[in-house]
Amino acid sequence: AQRVTQPEKLLSVFKGAPVELKCNYSYSGSPELFWYVQYSRQRLQLLLRHISRESIKGFTADLNKGETSFHLKKPFAQEEDSAMYYCALSGGNTPLVFGKGTRLSVIA
Amino acid sequence: KAGVTQTPRYLIKTRGQQVTLSCSPISGHRSVSWYQQTPGQGLQFLFEYFSETQRNKGNFPGRFSGRQFSNSRSEMNVSTLELGDSALYLCASRQLQTNEKLFFGSGTQLSVL
Repeated sequence: AQRVTQPEKLLSVFKGAPVELKCNYSYSGSPELFWYVQYSRQRLQLLLRHISRESIKGFTADLNKGETSFHLKKPFAQEEDSAMYYCALSGGNTPLVFGKGTRLSVIA
Repeated sequence: KAGVTQTPRYLIKTRGQQVTLSCSPISGHRSVSWYQQTPGQGLQFLFEYFSETQRNKGNFPGRFSGRQFSNSRSEMNVSTLELGDSALYLCASRQLQTNEKLFFGSGTQLSVL
């Protein structure tokens, strides 16, 4: 069974401080991992996916198969990063399964 | 291109009633997924349709059903509403049923009184 765990419901950091949003997963096959973000009064949207190995808005995430983790990181948080972040997993033709989300609050 | 459109935006129903929610995917997208979003449980997968066929189903009771039409528009129906069905129902579309990114609608906020 697929499972995504985001251990923190809320993460508060100061502007300019590093950010790490944790995501652990459980899946027996080869997963594809995603981070989705929902800004205030906006739709849920894709932030990045592990297969692309890209940096979006300064965020990066590395898939660690040994630790079954896909943590989201940014070296210097900005106020506009405040949002709800969801880690999600898909395995082949299985549906996208989401974690319960972490609310990031960046304090000025 | 217009985004994923969900109607209505808000619904208020009473226990025991039934409700139908509608979703129009992005033009050219053939896959439509439905999710239930609540503060406590986050996003929970309901079902996915591709070319009018249900391809995946989540762990929800049979009161939750859906369908997809030939133009890829989708509807979901909840019968015999319960208080616990109050949630934001999100629809998402993508071109194919692969690991492409999902495009989400704004959702339908359902309140069951």
